[in-house]
Amino acid sequence: DAKTTQPNSMESNEEEPVHLPCNHSTISGTDYIHWYRQLPSQGPEYVIHGLTSNVNNRMASLAIAEDRKSSTLILHRATLRDAAVYYCILRATSGTYKYIFGTGTRLKVLA
Amino acid sequence: DAGVIQSPRHEVTEMGQEVTLRCKPISGHDYLFWYRQTMMRGLELLIYFNNNVPIDDSGMPEDRFSAKMPNASFSTLKIQPSEPRDSAVYFCASSFLGLGNQPQHFGDGTRLSIL
Repeated sequence: DAKTTQPNSMESNEEEPVHLPCNHSTISGTDYIHWYRQLPSQGPEYVIHGLTSNVNNRMASLAIAEDRKSSTLILHRATLRDAAVYYCILRATSGTYKYIFGTGTRLKVLA
Repeated sequence: DAGVIQSPRHEVTEMGQEVTLRCKPISGHDYLFWYRQTMMRGLELLIYFNNNVPIDDSGMPEDRFSAKMPNASFSTLKIQPSEPRDSAVYFCASSFLGLGNQPQHFGDGTRLSIL
């Protein structure tokens, strides 16, 4: 399974944008890039996913590099409620339907 | 819409006892996943089902662990006998079709403590 690399932790000020990076240099052409976040004492929560093009939804934006070897999750205005561990995961379109969770990035939002 | 429902939310029991964790997936979802989360190992996939049939149980740590899905709306994860090292948060998740572009929906987990 292709692996992802994320910084262990990041900090952001409240109401400022946050850019969470993820490297996935061994990504295959059919792997989707998924982002989840886990708030304290809760299960992981789906945030966004993409294949090749940048994606936007009500929670965040996903910017995917042209060579697909990296991606960035963008929170446009961080709030205290966005403090969580953010996971970047690659998911194949066939074969195995497993998620392989890495250690993620712990985001701290400062008031 | 109701999400994935897990019960109990917390379980404390003594070593050697049988533990049964329960999961109700989202209606209409045909894939169900069981995960375990610990500080040391993070989130690990234990087993997953498709249309109630176990597809991959390579993550199940030992024969003491077993999982069943008797119907589309219910699954159990059983540990017998339980040991202190089984203490963890166990999550159930479900998804539709299991395709690469379909997200998994997680429950809030069962926090298991084995004394």
